Amino acid sequence: DGGITQSPKYLFRKEGQNVTLSCEQNLNHDAMYWYRQDPGQGLRLIYYSQIVNDFQKGDIAEGYSVSREKKESFPLTVTSAQKNPTAFYLCASSAAGHRSNTGELFFGEGSRLTVL
Amino acid sequence: AQSVAQPEDQVNVAEGNPLTVKCTYSVSGNPYLFWYVQYPNRGLQFLLKYITGDNLVKGSYGFEAEFNKSQTSFHLKKPSALVSDSALYFCAVYSGGYQKVTFGIGTKLQVIP
Repeated sequence: DGGITQSPKYLFRKEGQNVTLSCEQNLNHDAMYWYRQDPGQGLRLIYYSQIVNDFQKGDIAEGYSVSREKKESFPLTVTSAQKNPTAFYLCASSAAGHRSNTGELFFGEGSRLTVL
Repeated sequence: AQSVAQPEDQVNVAEGNPLTVKCTYSVSGNPYLFWYVQYPNRGLQFLLKYITGDNLVKGSYGFEAEFNKSQTSFHLKKPSALVSDSALYFCAVYSGGYQKVTFGIGTKLQVIP
């Protein structure tokens, strides 16, 4: 079935360590997104990519990095510079840029990162 | 700039009663409007969307939403609530092309047996 796969589902990290969250999609979507979710704050955009080898900062990019070497993959690295990394991270994709696109996002199941 | 407001942090409704989750938006031009649902520790699932045409949009699980251009609202409704509808609901707006989707902060729906 087509969809978005995020891994791992749960991740624990010690302070000072970098960690990479995986996001893979087989929907043939050009655009991919990373959101951070904290209680009472909704979804905040970290980074997004509209095409391979290109990505832009979202609203809260500090302390995060991404790459987009393949259309199917958009990994997110949470670096030690992120001051408060404990959160639920959601990856999404869309057909942004296509004439038929109406903005619908397809989400993965999320990754919960806890810093110990 | 586009924005979405969900004025209620939580909505409580008795099982079998009608429910409404409110959403208002601000956008330049014609909006695309969405409702998503999220169950605990899961991703967001698409419920329904308004693009153009009929102001009453029907979606998954018996939900519907009414687009009101004059009030810039897109309230989510269901005639008879189920306990299994208890979840977090997000309203979102999109203005087309390569614009980003903007989400509200979410409304927790609690259906009481």
